[in-house]
Amino acid sequence: GAGVSQSPSNKVTEKGKDVELRCDPISGHTALYWYRQSLGQGLEFLIYFQGNSAPDKSGLPSDRFSAERTGGSVSTLTIQRTQQEDSAVYLCASSYPRGESSYNSPLHFGNGTRLTVT
Amino acid sequence: GIQVEQSPPDLILQEGANSTLRCNFSDSVNNLQWFHQNPWGQLINLFYIPSGTKQNGRLSATTVATERYSLLYISSSQTTDSGVYFCAVRDTGRRALTFGSGTRLQVQP
Repeated sequence: GAGVSQSPSNKVTEKGKDVELRCDPISGHTALYWYRQSLGQGLEFLIYFQGNSAPDKSGLPSDRFSAERTGGSVSTLTIQRTQQEDSAVYLCASSYPRGESSYNSPLHFGNGTRLTVT
Repeated sequence: GIQVEQSPPDLILQEGANSTLRCNFSDSVNNLQWFHQNPWGQLINLFYIPSGTKQNGRLSATTVATERYSLLYISSSQTTDSGVYFCAVRDTGRRALTFGSGTRLQVQP
Protein backbone atom coordinates (compact mmCIF):
# COMPACT_ATOMS: atom_id res chain seq x y z
CA GLY A 1 0.00 0.00 0.00
CA ALA A 2 0.95 3.63 -0.31
CA GLY A 3 0.58 4.67 3.33
CA VAL A 4 1.89 3.74 6.76
CA SER A 5 0.31 0.50 7.89
CA GLN A 6 -0.24 -0.42 11.53
CA SER A 7 -1.52 -3.63 13.05
CA PRO A 8 -3.59 -4.60 14.83
CA SER A 9 -6.05 -1.72 14.59
CA ASN A 10 -7.48 -2.64 17.98
CA LYS A 11 -6.02 -4.66 20.83
CA VAL A 12 -7.66 -5.55 24.13
CA THR A 13 -5.42 -7.19 26.69
CA GLU A 14 -5.46 -8.07 30.35
CA LYS A 15 -3.31 -6.20 32.82
CA GLY A 16 0.08 -7.86 33.15
CA LYS A 17 0.19 -9.33 29.65
CA ASP A 18 2.75 -8.36 27.00
CA VAL A 19 1.69 -6.82 23.69
CA GLU A 20 3.39 -6.21 20.35
CA LEU A 21 2.33 -3.47 17.97
CA ARG A 22 3.55 -3.41 14.40
CA CYS A 23 4.30 -0.57 11.99
CA ASP A 24 5.10 -0.88 8.30
CA PRO A 25 6.35 2.51 7.05
CA ILE A 26 6.05 3.96 3.58
CA SER A 27 8.54 2.26 1.28
CA GLY A 28 11.76 4.24 1.07
CA HIS A 29 11.14 6.27 4.23
CA THR A 30 14.18 6.02 6.47
CA ALA A 31 12.77 7.80 9.54
CA LEU A 32 10.15 6.14 11.75
CA TYR A 33 8.44 7.52 14.82
CA TRP A 34 6.20 6.10 17.53
CA TYR A 35 3.82 8.40 19.39
CA ARG A 36 1.10 7.75 21.95
CA GLN A 37 -2.21 9.60 22.25
CA SER A 38 -4.38 9.19 25.30
CA LEU A 39 -8.10 9.95 25.03
CA GLY A 40 -8.65 13.62 24.22
CA GLN A 41 -4.98 14.46 24.59
CA GLY A 42 -2.11 15.51 22.35
CA LEU A 43 0.62 13.29 20.99
CA GLU A 44 3.37 12.06 23.27
CA PHE A 45 6.68 11.14 21.62
CA LEU A 46 7.98 7.66 22.41
CA ILE A 47 10.87 6.69 20.12
CA TYR A 48 12.48 7.69 16.81
CA PHE A 49 14.53 5.65 14.31
CA GLN A 50 16.58 7.20 11.51
CA GLY A 51 18.43 4.92 9.13
CA ASN A 52 21.27 3.07 10.85
CA SER A 53 21.69 5.66 13.61
CA ALA A 54 21.07 4.78 17.25
CA PRO A 55 17.37 5.34 18.03
CA ASP A 56 16.23 8.26 20.16
CA LYS A 57 14.52 6.47 23.06
CA SER A 58 14.13 9.56 25.22
CA GLY A 59 10.33 9.43 25.18
CA LEU A 60 9.82 5.87 26.39
CA PRO A 61 7.90 6.18 29.68
CA SER A 62 9.38 3.14 31.42
CA ASP A 63 11.60 0.12 30.87
CA ARG A 64 8.47 -1.91 30.11
CA PHE A 65 8.47 -0.23 26.71
CA SER A 66 10.88 -1.18 23.93
CA ALA A 67 10.98 -0.96 20.16
CA GLU A 68 12.92 -2.52 17.33
CA ARG A 69 13.27 -1.75 13.68
CA THR A 70 14.44 -4.62 11.53
CA GLY A 71 16.17 -4.11 8.21
CA GLY A 72 15.46 -0.40 8.28
CA SER A 73 11.80 -1.03 7.56
CA VAL A 74 9.18 -2.68 9.80
CA SER A 75 9.10 -1.66 13.46
CA THR A 76 7.64 -3.42 16.50
CA LEU A 77 6.73 -1.64 19.73
CA THR A 78 6.58 -4.01 22.70
CA ILE A 79 4.94 -3.25 26.01
CA GLN A 80 5.66 -5.74 28.77
CA ARG A 81 3.47 -6.33 31.81
CA THR A 82 0.83 -3.89 30.56
CA GLN A 83 -0.86 -1.51 32.98
CA GLN A 84 -4.20 0.26 32.67
CA GLU A 85 -2.44 3.60 32.18
CA ASP A 86 -0.92 2.16 28.99
CA SER A 87 -4.36 2.32 27.36
CA ALA A 88 -4.08 4.76 24.44
CA VAL A 89 -3.83 4.97 20.68
CA TYR A 90 -0.30 4.17 19.52
CA LEU A 91 0.58 6.02 16.33
CA CYS A 92 3.43 5.33 13.94
CA ALA A 93 4.73 7.83 11.39
CA SER A 94 7.42 7.79 8.73
CA SER A 95 9.26 10.47 6.80
CA TYR A 96 12.40 11.37 4.81
CA PRO A 97 12.06 9.79 1.38
CA ARG A 98 15.40 8.53 0.11
CA GLY A 99 17.29 11.07 -1.94
CA GLU A 100 16.20 14.18 -0.08
CA SER A 101 19.05 16.23 1.26
CA SER A 102 17.26 17.30 4.40
CA TYR A 103 15.74 15.06 7.07
CA ASN A 104 13.12 17.71 7.75
CA SER A 105 10.39 16.30 5.58
CA PRO A 106 6.67 15.88 6.28
CA LEU A 107 5.47 13.12 8.59
CA HIS A 108 2.94 10.59 7.37
CA PHE A 109 0.93 8.84 10.07
CA GLY A 110 -0.71 5.43 10.14
CA ASN A 111 -4.22 4.94 11.50
CA GLY A 112 -2.91 3.80 14.87
CA THR A 113 -3.47 0.85 17.18
CA ARG A 114 -6.04 1.41 19.92
CA LEU A 115 -4.80 -0.45 22.99
CA THR A 116 -7.16 -1.16 25.85
CA VAL A 117 -5.78 -2.75 29.03
CA THR A 118 -8.49 -4.24 31.23
CA GLY B 1 12.55 20.86 26.04
CA ILE B 2 10.75 23.10 23.63
CA GLN B 3 7.26 24.28 24.59
CA VAL B 4 4.47 24.47 22.04
CA GLU B 5 1.28 26.36 22.83
CA GLN B 6 -1.77 26.41 20.61
CA SER B 7 -4.72 28.75 20.78
CA PRO B 8 -7.60 28.77 21.05
CA PRO B 9 -8.06 25.33 22.63
CA ASP B 10 -11.62 25.10 21.32
CA LEU B 11 -13.40 26.86 18.48
CA ILE B 12 -16.96 26.63 17.19
CA LEU B 13 -17.78 28.13 13.79
CA GLN B 14 -20.74 28.38 11.50
CA GLU B 15 -20.21 26.94 8.06
CA GLY B 16 -18.70 29.56 5.76
CA ALA B 17 -16.86 31.45 8.48
CA ASN B 18 -13.11 32.11 8.51
CA SER B 19 -10.74 31.35 11.36
CA THR B 20 -7.14 31.73 12.47
CA LEU B 21 -5.36 29.18 14.65
CA ARG B 22 -2.12 30.08 16.37
CA CYS B 23 0.96 28.12 17.41
CA ASN B 24 3.63 29.66 19.64
CA PHE B 25 6.91 27.92 20.37
CA SER B 26 9.60 28.65 22.89
CA ASP B 27 12.83 28.05 20.95
CA SER B 28 14.33 28.12 17.46
CA VAL B 29 12.95 25.43 15.18
CA ASN B 30 14.07 23.87 11.91
CA ASN B 31 10.84 22.05 11.22
CA LEU B 32 7.20 23.02 11.77
CA GLN B 33 4.20 21.07 10.55
CA TRP B 34 0.43 21.44 10.82
CA PHE B 35 -1.79 18.37 11.06
CA HIS B 36 -5.53 17.77 11.01
CA GLN B 37 -6.94 14.89 13.04
CA ASN B 38 -10.41 14.02 11.80
CA PRO B 39 -13.18 12.71 14.06
CA TRP B 40 -12.12 9.14 13.22
CA GLY B 41 -8.64 9.78 14.56
CA GLN B 42 -6.76 9.90 11.28
CA LEU B 43 -3.88 12.40 11.23
CA ILE B 44 -3.28 14.20 7.94
CA ASN B 45 -0.29 16.40 7.22
CA LEU B 46 -1.50 19.83 6.06
CA PHE B 47 1.68 21.85 5.78
CA TYR B 48 5.40 21.52 6.25
CA ILE B 49 6.26 25.15 6.94
CA PRO B 50 9.37 26.03 9.00
CA SER B 51 9.19 29.56 7.57
CA GLY B 52 7.26 31.62 5.06
CA THR B 53 3.75 31.21 3.71
CA LYS B 54 2.00 28.38 1.90
CA GLN B 55 -1.50 27.93 0.57
CA ASN B 56 -3.49 24.83 -0.28
CA GLY B 57 -7.04 25.54 -1.36
CA ARG B 58 -9.01 27.08 1.51
CA LEU B 59 -6.12 26.57 3.92
CA SER B 60 -3.01 28.65 4.26
CA ALA B 61 -0.23 28.87 6.82
CA THR B 62 2.38 31.40 7.78
CA THR B 63 5.39 30.87 10.03
CA VAL B 64 7.45 33.76 11.38
CA ALA B 65 10.39 31.82 12.76
CA THR B 66 12.18 34.88 14.18
CA GLU B 67 9.12 35.67 16.32
CA ARG B 68 8.45 32.00 17.13
CA TYR B 69 4.89 31.60 15.94
CA SER B 70 2.87 30.10 13.14
CA LEU B 71 -0.69 30.75 11.99
CA LEU B 72 -3.10 28.45 10.20
CA TYR B 73 -5.92 30.14 8.29
CA ILE B 74 -9.11 28.36 7.36
CA SER B 75 -11.40 30.22 4.99
CA SER B 76 -15.02 29.43 4.10
CA SER B 77 -15.06 26.62 6.66
CA GLN B 78 -16.97 23.41 5.96
CA THR B 79 -18.29 20.75 8.32
CA THR B 80 -15.56 18.42 7.04
CA ASP B 81 -12.98 20.80 8.56
CA SER B 82 -14.09 19.68 12.02
CA GLY B 83 -11.53 17.89 14.14
CA VAL B 84 -8.36 18.76 15.99
CA TYR B 85 -5.57 20.81 14.47
CA PHE B 86 -2.07 20.14 15.78
CA CYS B 87 1.10 22.12 15.37
CA ALA B 88 4.37 20.18 15.71
CA VAL B 89 7.92 21.50 15.82
CA ARG B 90 11.47 20.17 15.90
CA ASP B 91 14.05 22.23 17.72
CA THR B 92 17.67 22.12 16.71
CA GLY B 93 18.63 19.91 19.64
CA ARG B 94 16.25 17.02 19.02
CA ARG B 95 15.34 14.69 16.22
CA ALA B 96 11.68 14.11 17.08
CA LEU B 97 8.73 16.45 16.60
CA THR B 98 7.06 17.93 19.67
CA PHE B 99 3.31 18.40 19.36
CA GLY B 100 1.14 21.11 20.82
CA SER B 101 -2.07 20.21 22.64
CA GLY B 102 -4.18 21.11 19.63
CA THR B 103 -7.15 23.29 18.71
CA ARG B 104 -10.47 21.44 18.61
CA LEU B 105 -12.61 22.89 15.81
CA GLN B 106 -16.29 22.25 15.35
CA VAL B 107 -17.94 23.61 12.21
CA GLN B 108 -21.73 23.68 12.45
CA PRO B 109 -24.02 23.58 9.40
